[in-house]
Amino acid sequence: SQELEQSPQSLIVQEGKNLTINCTSSKTLYGLYWYKQKYGEGLIFLMMLQKGGEEKSHEKITAKLDEKKQQSSLHITASQPSHAGIYLCGAALETSGSRLTFGEGTQLTVNP
Amino acid sequence: DGGITQSPKYLFRKEGQNVTLSCEQNLNHDAMYWYRQDPGQGLRLIYYSQIVNDFQKGDIAEGYSVSREKKESFPLTVTSAQKNPTAFYLCASRITSGRATHTGELFFGEGSRLTVL
Repeated sequence: SQELEQSPQSLIVQEGKNLTINCTSSKTLYGLYWYKQKYGEGLIFLMMLQKGGEEKSHEKITAKLDEKKQQSSLHITASQPSHAGIYLCGAALETSGSRLTFGEGTQLTVNP
Repeated sequence: DGGITQSPKYLFRKEGQNVTLSCEQNLNHDAMYWYRQDPGQGLRLIYYSQIVNDFQKGDIAEGYSVSREKKESFPLTVTSAQKNPTAFYLCASRITSGRATHTGELFFGEGSRLTVL
């Protein structure tokens, strides 16, 4: 089974709608990272969360870390077509923090 | 500008041939990584290196080899032993700070798409 589970696997929303993507770990989190990817391209870093309860925002994207639940959520407010892409969570699951394990990604489509 | 450069962007290979993917970074990062991505899937770690002349196997190292002779370079060779090499390969690097448990984010290259004919 996956060490990092993302849900949903895909999401289609109408422009202007809010949405949430979840990332749940089966192991202790030592750092949680959110990335965005356009098909066939590299990953673009969005945010990094390290402490339980931490919340960060960038423009209309907010990410939170629930350390007790070993879970992070990514919330997009008033979605736009530019938000479309694949969102991946990555996490350090070892105390050394040297390796990052990734979830399978969430494919987001925003219809105008 | 600083960044990570992967080459080639597209590569075609015949079965039984080895192929080497290049990854160069000028960010002065200590650690470098190779991931493989298959359609509809996340990234799987192939190899990583935290310092020059040292590297560790990731989760799917079989059929791959790497070297880290210079801090800036971390080439990946896909050997003929890799049974299903067609995939999108991503190289990444990050700053590390010795024994610190929390290090910076990964910076990714644009990827190399390998197709075996």
